[in-house]
Amino acid sequence: QQQVKQSPQSLIVQKGGISIINCAYENTAFDYFPWYQQFPGKGPALLIAIRPDVSEKKEGRFTISFNKSAKQFSLHIMDSQPGDSATYFCAAFGSGTYKYIFGTGTRLKVLA
Amino acid sequence: DTAVSQTPKYLVTQMGNDKSIKCEQNLGHDTMYWYKQDSKKFLKIMFSYNNKELIINETVPNRFSPKSPDKAHLNLHINSLELGDSAVYFCASGTGPGGEQFFGPGTRLTVL
Repeated sequence: QQQVKQSPQSLIVQKGGISIINCAYENTAFDYFPWYQQFPGKGPALLIAIRPDVSEKKEGRFTISFNKSAKQFSLHIMDSQPGDSATYFCAAFGSGTYKYIFGTGTRLKVLA
Repeated sequence: DTAVSQTPKYLVTQMGNDKSIKCEQNLGHDTMYWYKQDSKKFLKIMFSYNNKELIINETVPNRFSPKSPDKAHLNLHINSLELGDSAVYFCASGTGPGGEQFFGPGTRLTVL
């Protein structure tokens, strides 16, 4: 119940294309869903996050879609750029705890 | 100014040795974390401290001992290092439950 399943493991997208990464969770106590971006040799950095009271959140080219009934959420990167090439992690967090559960990561490569 | 800093950045040592990794944050956060990222990029929480109090201890071998001398520092001491301890260790700080976490640059530990 503590897992967050992330797919795909790796993704190759052409420049200008849409990158889509999916995550699914089981624990309905989770109520905060961030996405982190990690470049090689760096620590993860928060990209965008959503709470389950909304179904979508958009920040620039990055959008989170959230389906509470299906217990799934996804990251969409519009107009993907080579500079977006990184590893992306979804995560889930439950109120009253200090613990994030991270997905297994998706290595995104955007071809120029 | 570096928000979350770790030292050293690289650590190469022999099996059986004892080593420490230091972490400092200047964000004024109450909560700090240690994560382990293995060669497959899996990111897993090890410990969390809130106001110098240990609040999460995730089935980590007792060879690993965190210590928080004050809210701005969380150090990790590892005794009797094993080959399987080779990984990148990330320190993070956060605003508390459901808040953003800020990761340090990581310490790459290699045990020979």
